[in-house]
Amino acid sequence: NAGVTQTPKFQVLKTGQSMTLQCAQDMNHEYMSWYRQDPGMGLRLIHYSVGAGITDQGEVPNGYNVSRSTTEDFPLRLLSAAPSQTSVYFCASSYRGGTGANVLTFGAGSRLTVL
Amino acid sequence: KNQVEQSPQSLIILEGKNCTLQCNYTVSPFSNLRWYKQDTGRGPVSLTIMTFSENTKSNGRYTATLDADTKQSSLHITASQLSDSASYICVVSVTGFQKLVFGTGTRLLVSP
Repeated sequence: NAGVTQTPKFQVLKTGQSMTLQCAQDMNHEYMSWYRQDPGMGLRLIHYSVGAGITDQGEVPNGYNVSRSTTEDFPLRLLSAAPSQTSVYFCASSYRGGTGANVLTFGAGSRLTVL
Repeated sequence: KNQVEQSPQSLIILEGKNCTLQCNYTVSPFSNLRWYKQDTGRGPVSLTIMTFSENTKSNGRYTATLDADTKQSSLHITASQLSDSASYICVVSVTGFQKLVFGTGTRLLVSP
């Protein structure tokens, strides 16, 4: 199993450009999410999805869009990149059911720089 | 406000030595507490998950403790190895797994 695959690993954008970070998982996980990691701060939830066709906002959703057309894929779109969106982005997935103590499996991360 | 604080921020130890990382939280209502290991340039990987009723949980040379009364957790690493060099992140779940509060991590460097 590949687990959670993120592409690209590195990206440089100019202010105002748009792009999509790709995330795919092959574990049949219902739950998928996007986090950003900034120096000196804990990971912060951007958007999440509990199943195909269902998405919701996390803690810091502004400037980002998501969609979930299949169980496997959960792309993150930056509509008009800003320097404040310079960060490392992580996609994570898990099973949805059970006691709630489900382990998140993270991708390797995508480092985005906005000039 | 739900918060997770970790100490120390960074730590350097000699290979073979033991160390203990601390995590204090003010998250309520508490569901579970997780420790993750994050190697440089990689995503976090789960080490342990502890629920309210668990005091101690081990994963090889890693032992996590939880005191739900004082809202403190520790991660003890025994006989450290160079591969233990990483950031260790404490994460507390409020309700279910969507509501996770992340600490900023402790950066550990194991020196030969």
